Amino acid sequence: DQQVKQNSPSLSVQEGRISILNCDYTNSMFDYFLWYKKYPAEGPTFLISISSIKDKNEDGRFTVFLNKSAKHLSLHIVPSQPGDSAVYFCAASAWTGNQFYFGTGTSLTVIP
Amino acid sequence: EPEVTQTPSHQVTQMGQEVILRCVPISNHLYFYWYRQILGQKVEFLVSFYNNEISEKSEIFDDQFSVERPDGSNFTLKIRSTKLEDSAMYFCASSALDIYSNQPQHFGDGTRLSIL
Repeated sequence: DQQVKQNSPSLSVQEGRISILNCDYTNSMFDYFLWYKKYPAEGPTFLISISSIKDKNEDGRFTVFLNKSAKHLSLHIVPSQPGDSAVYFCAASAWTGNQFYFGTGTSLTVIP
Repeated sequence: EPEVTQTPSHQVTQMGQEVILRCVPISNHLYFYWYRQILGQKVEFLVSFYNNEISEKSEIFDDQFSVERPDGSNFTLKIRSTKLEDSAMYFCASSALDIYSNQPQHFGDGTRLSIL
């Protein structure tokens, strides 16, 4: 039961350009969304979050957009840097539960 | 910055044996979680724990699994009789508040469990 989907397993972007990572979800009860970044041999690291009362949240180079009607969120990284190369997971939770549901991840490569 | 620590980083165990994975959550956190990631697949929730009891568990978390907070700092996941399909990365996470407070979970670096 894939409630959170990341349909692009990989993405390559030139340094300095914008990276856009996408995530779709199916459960309309989800009201809190996060992006995690994961380097090899490390655990996921929290990056940015958004609650369903907002449609945009910005933190430095990272912006998350939420489109509730489309059940879609995206992470924009601008400008992209080589150190951003990692696997990015989106995750979602519902007010009815106490767990996060993760997508399968998108591997981002930023080319110098 | 405080972090979640997990030991060991890699555990190799014979099928049928018991294994205990250990985690030290961030000290002032109250909510604790275990997730696993089978190679090439998504991160899957196993269990959440608060106030010395399980608050939620997934269908993966069957009778072979148990969690414990034996003292004020450790949080353990025990698999009683391991199966080949238990081979995965196991991540521990903790958060200061529960999900209803919209708090992120902080993850450890994981324990790679290999069942032979």
